[in-house]
Amino acid sequence: ETGVTQTPRHLVMGMTNKKSLKCEQHLGHNAMYWYKQSAKKPLELMFVYNFKEQTENNSVPSRFSPECPNSSHLFLHLHTLQPEDSALYLCASSPGTGGSNQPQHFGDGTRLSIL
Amino acid sequence: AQSVTQLGSHVSVSEGALVLLRCNYSSSVPPYLFWYVQYPNQGLQLLLKYTTGATLVKGINGFEAEFKKSETSFHLTKPSAHMSDAAEYFCAVSERFEKLVFGKGTKLTVNP
Repeated sequence: ETGVTQTPRHLVMGMTNKKSLKCEQHLGHNAMYWYKQSAKKPLELMFVYNFKEQTENNSVPSRFSPECPNSSHLFLHLHTLQPEDSALYLCASSPGTGGSNQPQHFGDGTRLSIL
Repeated sequence: AQSVTQLGSHVSVSEGALVLLRCNYSSSVPPYLFWYVQYPNQGLQLLLKYTTGATLVKGINGFEAEFKKSETSFHLTKPSAHMSDAAEYFCAVSERFEKLVFGKGTKLTVNP
């Protein structure tokens, strides 16, 4: 298996539920990212991890909690979400060498719907 | 801060016609520029990138883009559109440490 894999592909949850999104990359990369893609908005960078350390939190509400146990796996734990959190959540990875010319590789995303 | 402007949220062309998707950026340092494509229900796929060297960059699926520093542009073109090119296209500029700033995207429709 290659590339960036996200599970589940679709998730419907109530505002009081707790769920987690999973991302796994098989590219040998050291940096991983969470993005939120909402209709009619640019992609919003949420979190960046480099060598398992969080290097960026883009003012994301605390109801989103990321976890990066190793360079290949990234989770996004969700609790008490709001309807405006419904969106496509994309995971990406990159080599993490610090060079700005390295492209990011994206998963197919998790489509999240909050009831 | 760096930013990206994609002119036209929707572009419609006929099959076989030229595709031109516009992207302008602002950057205080030499930019690294990318075009990504997103098909329905999928993530983003890299089409091409400009880092250094030749300003005309060729990518996958017959697409190419030209970096014009004087115009701060990185427009995406394809000589002849195919039905399979229908998708949303995103231009991005790279900030420090591989952090990408994306444009709002342009949805391309290809008419038979």
